[in-house]
Amino acid sequence: AQKITQTQPGMFVQEKEAVTLDCTYDTSDPSYGLFWYKQPSSGEMIFLIYQGSYDQQNATEGRYSLNFQKARKSANLVISASQLGDSAMYFCAMRGDLSSGSARQLTFGSGTQLTVLP
Amino acid sequence: EAGVAQSPRYKIIEKRQSVAFWCNPISGHATLYWYQQILGQGPKLLIQFQNNGVVDDSQLPKDRFSAERLKGVDSTLKIQPAKLEDSAVYLCASSFYSSDNEQFFGPGTRLTVL
Repeated sequence: AQKITQTQPGMFVQEKEAVTLDCTYDTSDPSYGLFWYKQPSSGEMIFLIYQGSYDQQNATEGRYSLNFQKARKSANLVISASQLGDSAMYFCAMRGDLSSGSARQLTFGSGTQLTVLP
Repeated sequence: EAGVAQSPRYKIIEKRQSVAFWCNPISGHATLYWYQQILGQGPKLLIQFQNNGVVDDSQLPKDRFSAERLKGVDSTLKIQPAKLEDSAVYLCASSFYSSDNEQFFGPGTRLTVL
């Protein structure tokens, strides 16, 4: 079984500051992928970044970076230079070993509501 | 490139009624997913299609939920009969391959069961 835990229901950050959204996970799969999605108030989920469990380096995509600490089972999202448009719900998710059929599905955490203040 | 389309955007029904949701994925995407997102929670996968075949429906309440993707393109999710606890946003997503890292989501259908 896979489990994703996001302990911050809400976060506030000042515009142009950096913010870290926490995510811990639990899995017995030998390999897995970790994802972050953004859900604005309009409702659609937007893919932000992906980290494979065997990737040597932390993933980065523009202002987004994933602080992956395998031993601690954490995959925190760092957003640099926050913008007002970053205000949204953020979900951490994982997918287990792709060789296992049922483990292909994404398991999502409960999300963190980020508010960027002007 | 057009995104994933869903309709209707909102639906209000009474318990024990039936309801159907429609999804049109991005052109060429073979994999289609239906998720249920209850207020305050992350999305939960209900069913995954690869072309017109079901890959995973382990979390679909099959006594009341059904889904089809007859021609490997559009998909319909049906609830019959609806219960109060089915109130949620139903999200459709698609990807080119099932192993793709990025899934593209539609805007969702918000269902309220009274």
